Amino acid sequence: ELKVEQNPLFLSMQEEKNYTIYCNYSTTSDRLYWYRQDPGKSLESLFVLLSNGAVKQEGRLMASLDTKARLSTLHITAAVHDLSATYFCAVDDSLSGQNFVFGPGTRLSVLP
Amino acid sequence: GAGVSQSPSNKVTEKGKDVELRCDPISGHTALYWYRQSLGQGLEFLIYFQGNSAPDKSGLPSDRFSAERTGGSVSTLTIQRTQQEDSAVYLCASSLALGSGANVLTFGAGSRLTVL
Repeated sequence: ELKVEQNPLFLSMQEEKNYTIYCNYSTTSDRLYWYRQDPGKSLESLFVLLSNGAVKQEGRLMASLDTKARLSTLHITAAVHDLSATYFCAVDDSLSGQNFVFGPGTRLSVLP
Repeated sequence: GAGVSQSPSNKVTEKGKDVELRCDPISGHTALYWYRQSLGQGLEFLIYFQGNSAPDKSGLPSDRFSAERTGGSVSTLTIQRTQQEDSAVYLCASSLALGSGANVLTFGAGSRLTVL
């Protein structure tokens, strides 16, 4: 069974600080996705990582994928309050019949 | 439509009643997923439809839950004899399911179910 773990589950950080969220998974899939969810809202796609060593950046967020370590990271640079949200990673192993399993989410609060 | 549409957005029902939740995916998207999200929790997979293949029902929590997808488009999730623990937001997502390529899910706004 495909398992996806994230840590930390809760993260409170100050503006202008840097931090990394980790996503570990148990399969050999090389398809990893990051989503953002604002309170009371649905999920919004952030990044799609489709190969070992893939790196994607958007503003203050950068995601990377290491398929050998079965690890993806979401790095936050110089956090701002607008980044406060819950971040989910998800692994798609549909080629082996296990479809889109989400991690538990990391609830990020950026404090002024 | 431009996005995934779900209805109702909010449903309050009494314990023991049946409810139906509807999802209208993006036109042309062959894959459709239902997830459940309890307050402050992650996403729990319920069921997955892909084209004309038999659905993956492995996530349905009990036989009170069922779903169908008519004509490869609109899907209905039915919960019979609702219980208080069924209270959650039910999220629907669809994708193009491009084989080995990117399979980005687009989510609807969700249906919030409250069972009194």
